[in-house]
Amino acid sequence: GAVVSQHPSWVICKSGTSVKIECRSLDFQATTMFWYRQFPKQSLMLMATSNEGSKATYEQGVEKDKFLINHASLTLSTLTVTSAHPEDSSFYICSARDLGVGGAGDQPQHFGDGTRLSIL
Amino acid sequence: DQQVKQNSPSLSVQEGRISILNCDYTNSMFDYFLWYKKYPAEGPTFLISISSIKDKNEDGRFTVFLNKSAKHLSLHIVPSQPGDSAVYFCAARGFIQGAQKLVFGQGTRLTINP
Repeated sequence: GAVVSQHPSWVICKSGTSVKIECRSLDFQATTMFWYRQFPKQSLMLMATSNEGSKATYEQGVEKDKFLINHASLTLSTLTVTSAHPEDSSFYICSARDLGVGGAGDQPQHFGDGTRLSIL
Repeated sequence: DQQVKQNSPSLSVQEGRISILNCDYTNSMFDYFLWYKKYPAEGPTFLISISSIKDKNEDGRFTVFLNKSAKHLSLHIVPSQPGDSAVYFCAARGFIQGAQKLVFGQGTRLTINP
């Protein structure tokens, strides 16, 4: 089945550091990828929709300059948390939908394993 | 405004019995509903889905029921197995602010007791 790989799985770094998280679709092409954030015991909250070759679409309340998204190819999207601070500590998850099979209709989103970001 | 709600944060079921996880939604424009299973420190794994034009979809031990008039869906797992212990998220798909998006519930932690 479709596989989404996310790297790294865990990051611990000092406040003020910028952290890049990669999301790859391994066996399918994804023109659209999604970035979510999950706080402990809470739901997955969509942060932004990453579109290949164009600017990402951010959800209300998400800072574009804080969370930089680049979707340079059909299989890779990156999320960079710039000048991270302790309040940015969270679990970040990407997902992608395989549009190559049967069109956009009923294909579910497939998720990466997430990145646990801890800012000291 | 929580458009998708899972009101039970946890559920404990005996192995071999039926597990029923519930989900309510408020937006009648959602066209597709999905259930995901999530283990700690992993991303959600797709389990089963249902189109808004259907009321039941079955896949092995998993069955999803949709009651559109009540804006309610449920996931039935029978028989429940210890490996089913995980957090289950329901998600609804719809066009929100001009784009197709998934909206997730808060999740229900299912524990299957031997």
